[in-house]
Amino acid sequence: SQTIHQWPATLVQPVGSPLSLECTVEGTSNPNLYWYRQAAGRGLQLLFYSVGIGQISSEVPQNLSASRPQDRQFILSSKKLLLSDSGFYLCAWVRRGDHPELFFGSGTQLSVL
Amino acid sequence: SQELEQSPQSLIVQEGKNLTINCTSSKTLYGLYWYKQKYGEGLIFLMMLQKGGEEKSHEKITAKLDEKKQQSSLHITASQPSHAGIYLCGGLKTNAGKSTFGDGTTLTVKP
Repeated sequence: SQTIHQWPATLVQPVGSPLSLECTVEGTSNPNLYWYRQAAGRGLQLLFYSVGIGQISSEVPQNLSASRPQDRQFILSSKKLLLSDSGFYLCAWVRRGDHPELFFGSGTQLSVL
Repeated sequence: SQELEQSPQSLIVQEGKNLTINCTSSKTLYGLYWYKQKYGEGLIFLMMLQKGGEEKSHEKITAKLDEKKQQSSLHITASQPSHAGIYLCGGLKTNAGKSTFGDGTTLTVKP
């Protein structure tokens, strides 16, 4: 069965510190992968998506970057965190086909202080 | 600009009452997802609609997609406290799965 792992679940970081959030998918190959951010009381904002190793598309200008070093690994990074980077980050992958279903990880709650 | 508009933003209902949440897209969609979430937790998949005029049900929750594939409604019959949470609609632009989401509807069910 397909599963998606995301860690850490909670993270508190000082302003100016680096960030690395990791997401891995099991049970499928060559998935499309996504990073979303959710502010409190808001919907999901698509940050990055990737259709393959080394292929990253950025949806919004920001302080963050993403990388896909392996087929089923997706990493969200920042060199220097800002207060505005706080939020709930979700990794997702899509099962391609006629009925593409979007599966989400359990999320990382990031607080930048 | 927001591609998906959800309404209402929040909803408080008495247990046992019916309710409807709406989701409107500015563009024709390949498909539309409905998810439920408690903030700070992952999303629970409810339904996906792809065909114009399609309607799906799961327990007491029914979702419909209009013929133009730009508008969907989520209807809960005889609401329970367990239905409380944030309901999110996601619009699928292509079958490659790039989705944008609405701002969500926060549902509170009073016992």
